[in-house]
Amino acid sequence: SQQGEEDPQALSIQEGENATMNCSYKTSINNLQWYRQNSGRGLVHLILIRSNEREKHSGRLRVTLDTSKKSSSLLITASRAADTASYFCATAAGNNRKLIWGLGTSLAVNP
Amino acid sequence: DTAVSQTPKYLVTQMGNDKSIKCEQNLGHDTMYWYKQDSKKFLKIMFSYNNKELIINETVPNRFSPKSPDKAHLNLHINSLELGDSAVYFCASSQGDPATQYFGPGTRLLVL
Repeated sequence: SQQGEEDPQALSIQEGENATMNCSYKTSINNLQWYRQNSGRGLVHLILIRSNEREKHSGRLRVTLDTSKKSSSLLITASRAADTASYFCATAAGNNRKLIWGLGTSLAVNP
Repeated sequence: DTAVSQTPKYLVTQMGNDKSIKCEQNLGHDTMYWYKQDSKKFLKIMFSYNNKELIINETVPNRFSPKSPDKAHLNLHINSLELGDSAVYFCASSQGDPATQYFGPGTRLLVL
């Protein structure tokens, strides 16, 4: 069953601005992952944050996790046109092999 | 080198036909998955195999039958194709814990 929900569903910003996407989930998790999907391509893993972590950075990406609110956010700083894509959160529980996916946020970065 | 590959990339077929999609990964992973992504981009897990053993079998019509001849390959056979089967089918693989998944490029299936 689908558990994650991202918001906003769509986001349009100018190059250089920051983009923030949020993800909420319903049950306890072991970790939460963010993936990017460029148009017509497969998903690419961006970053994973474990349930005992609160914040994680990777390049221009910053992910936070609030297990008390069952929510996560993905911040992309100094966005570029190449960041235009759909972004999905996915949560893992139990043996971690099954990921529960959100509906995605469609990000458009205008040059 | 392609990590997770799928064939064919595009598949256009008539209702009622039977078709297969193939997936191969050269990452040495022990777990492979099939996903269906609909036109609204909702990603739904269909099946997963770990070392050739079926470990995830979601509510999928039994017209869909996965087959894993070895841990590097996972194929999907679809019988009696229906219009609603039109979607993009993704193969993915993972290893260990936590299980970050690596996706193939997708197979775009259009049933006419």
